[in-house]
Amino acid sequence: QKEVEQNSGPLSVPEGAIASLNCTYSDRGSQSFFWYRQYSGKSPELIMFIYSNGDKEDGRFTAQLNKASQYVSLLIRDSQPSDSATYLCAVNNEKLTFGTGTRLTIIP
Amino acid sequence: DTGVSQDPRHKITKRGQNVTFRCDPISEHNRLYWYRQTLGQGPEFLTYFQNEAQLEKSRLLSDRFSAERPKGSFSTLEIQRTEQGDSAMYLCASEDRGGGGNTIYFGEGSWLTVV
Repeated sequence: QKEVEQNSGPLSVPEGAIASLNCTYSDRGSQSFFWYRQYSGKSPELIMFIYSNGDKEDGRFTAQLNKASQYVSLLIRDSQPSDSATYLCAVNNEKLTFGTGTRLTIIP
Repeated sequence: DTGVSQDPRHKITKRGQNVTFRCDPISEHNRLYWYRQTLGQGPEFLTYFQNEAQLEKSRLLSDRFSAERPKGSFSTLEIQRTEQGDSAMYLCASEDRGGGGNTIYFGEGSWLTVV
């Protein structure tokens, strides 16, 4: 089992809709979780981090964490074409361990 | 805060040559990480430093790879006798561990092409 798993996509969402990205992790002791956005040919850019169970909102982005289910998600409201990118989920246990990323395409 | 800086941004080298990448972390960040990323994959951990001490090395880091962080400031990653499989983007990241937030910031990456 991979340490961090994501659906590789591609995930296509109409402009203005909600994009939902999911991630599961294997280490039950993990404490902090991160979402990075990566445009093609660029380096990862931090979007959000979450430590506690529940929801954390930042603008159009909401991160959700369920430690009992070992599940992290990222919701993007009012999706824009500029949100088209690969979204990387990462778990921080002394170092970041990444999933393979989900490629998101927002359709105008 | 000028961000994490990496140099060179792009490097094309012939198989068998040695290459060195440099990373300048965000000022006063005590942790520095190296990752490698190939197309369609997430970044893979290579090694990290706490100040000048190298705390962990991935098994991906064969004996052809070496990393240093003298004086706990900038870091270098050297690849000796490059192979075509070394072609990838090499990412450096830094973190102010213990400073709150445990947020890791990436540089723009160094692209390596081995021909």
